Amino acid sequence: KNQVEQSPQSLIILEGKNCTLQCNYTVSPFSNLRWYKQDTGRGPVSLTIMTFSENTKSNGRYTATLDADTKQSSLHITASQLSDSASYICVVSEKTGANNLFFGTGTRLTVIP
Amino acid sequence: DTAVSQTPKYLVTQMGNDKSIKCEQNLGHDTMYWYKQDSKKFLKIMFSYNNKELIINETVPNRFSPKSPDKAHLNLHINSLELGDSAVYFCASSLGRPQLAYEQYFGPGTRLTVT
Repeated sequence: KNQVEQSPQSLIILEGKNCTLQCNYTVSPFSNLRWYKQDTGRGPVSLTIMTFSENTKSNGRYTATLDADTKQSSLHITASQLSDSASYICVVSEKTGANNLFFGTGTRLTVIP
Repeated sequence: DTAVSQTPKYLVTQMGNDKSIKCEQNLGHDTMYWYKQDSKKFLKIMFSYNNKELIINETVPNRFSPKSPDKAHLNLHINSLELGDSAVYFCASSLGRPQLAYEQYFGPGTRLTVT
């Protein structure tokens, strides 16, 4: 069964600290993996998209890694800011004609001063 | 200019009514989507159109019917609204199909409340 699991469900960190969010998936055949940031009351915003051949991609203070062999991805946030407080969602696309997208339940990050 | 716009932003209606949510994108994208986000913040895809062709049709009640009059518009019509339909509905668009790794751009959402 195709699934995407994220951990932790929620996380509280101090401003300026680093953190890592995890995404494990069983989707096969794999096409690509996306990380989204969703601020409260707003639509998700794309942070990174990685295909099978990419194992790391950065977007400012956000760095995503992908291990296609173990089917794991992580999102590392460096020097966190209060504005990083949001939900982070991992989405995996299936490489078939079905065009399927599989969503994780998200990690709620709270950055406190 | 707004890339992906939705109307209305808020919609409060009674059970049994029929309502529509409109979505427009001015990005020139070929693919558009409708998502539902429930009270637990879980985002679930409902439909996707590519060049006006339905390519994703997840298991949703047939009271929900998408309509794509052209590539820039994807509307969602809901018949006989139920309490469980209360959620935030997001429209999104991308340059191509999901497996082609194109970035998706989301609209601001429509908060539907059924009383």
